Amino acid sequence: DAGVIQSPRHEVTEMGQEVTLRCKPISGHDYLFWYRQTMMRGLELLIYFNNNVPIDDSGMPEDRFSAKMPNASFSTLKIQPSEPRDSAVYFCASSFLHSTDTQYFGPGTRLTVL
Amino acid sequence: QKEVEQDPGPLSVPEGAIVSLNCTYSNSAFQYFMWYRQYSRKGPELLMYTYSSGNKEDGRFTAQVDKSSKYISLFIRDSQPSDSATYLCAMSAMKTSYDKVIFGPGTSLSVIP
Repeated sequence: DAGVIQSPRHEVTEMGQEVTLRCKPISGHDYLFWYRQTMMRGLELLIYFNNNVPIDDSGMPEDRFSAKMPNASFSTLKIQPSEPRDSAVYFCASSFLHSTDTQYFGPGTRLTVL
Repeated sequence: QKEVEQDPGPLSVPEGAIVSLNCTYSNSAFQYFMWYRQYSRKGPELLMYTYSSGNKEDGRFTAQVDKSSKYISLFIRDSQPSDSATYLCAMSAMKTSYDKVIFGPGTSLSVIP
C-alpha cells in the first residue's frame, strides 16, 4: 500500500497566486481530511469528506480556501489568492472508519507564500 | 489558557534512557487521548490511543491518563535514536468528533547514541 499521496511536496509561490494542493487517499478509505500545521497554531483540521461529500468545513479559514473531492481517489485544496500567512505544511489524511483512531496522514505539502 | 498545553522542548536524552512526555488540558469533557509521532518532514502517525483514565502499554511505550488532574503522559522505555521525533498529544470528547480533536503543539525529542 502506497499510503496517502500528496503533491507537490514543496510549493513556493508569490502572494496573490492561486495554489492547488492534491491528495490521493488510501484505496478503500471513505473519509478524507485536510489539515494545516504551523508553529503558532499547531495542527488544525480544515475540512473533511465522507464518501466524497464535505461534512464539516468549519475549520476553513476564509473564502479564499476551497476543497473538492470529485471522486474517491482524489481531492484538492485550493487557495486563491494566496497570502504570506497561508505559509504552512498542509496534510491530507484518510480513514476507513468513523473513528479518530484510524487516520493515516500523508507526508504533507510545505507551502511558502512570498 | 490554551486548551491543550505541551512543553515544546527540545528534549535531549542518551540512548537507553526513560523518556517522559506530558500534556495538560483544561476541558474536562475530553475522554479520548492520543499520542502521535511525527518524524521530520513526515506526517503524524498514531502511536497510542486510550479512553478515559488509566494506563495502556504497547512494547516500549506506555500511555497514562489522569483525568482528575487533567494530565496525560507518554513514557518511552529504553529509548532508541529511532525514537527521535516530535510527539503530539491529542484529545477529544467523542470518538467520532474529528472536528473536535485538539492537538498539542508537540514536544521535540532527540535520543543521542
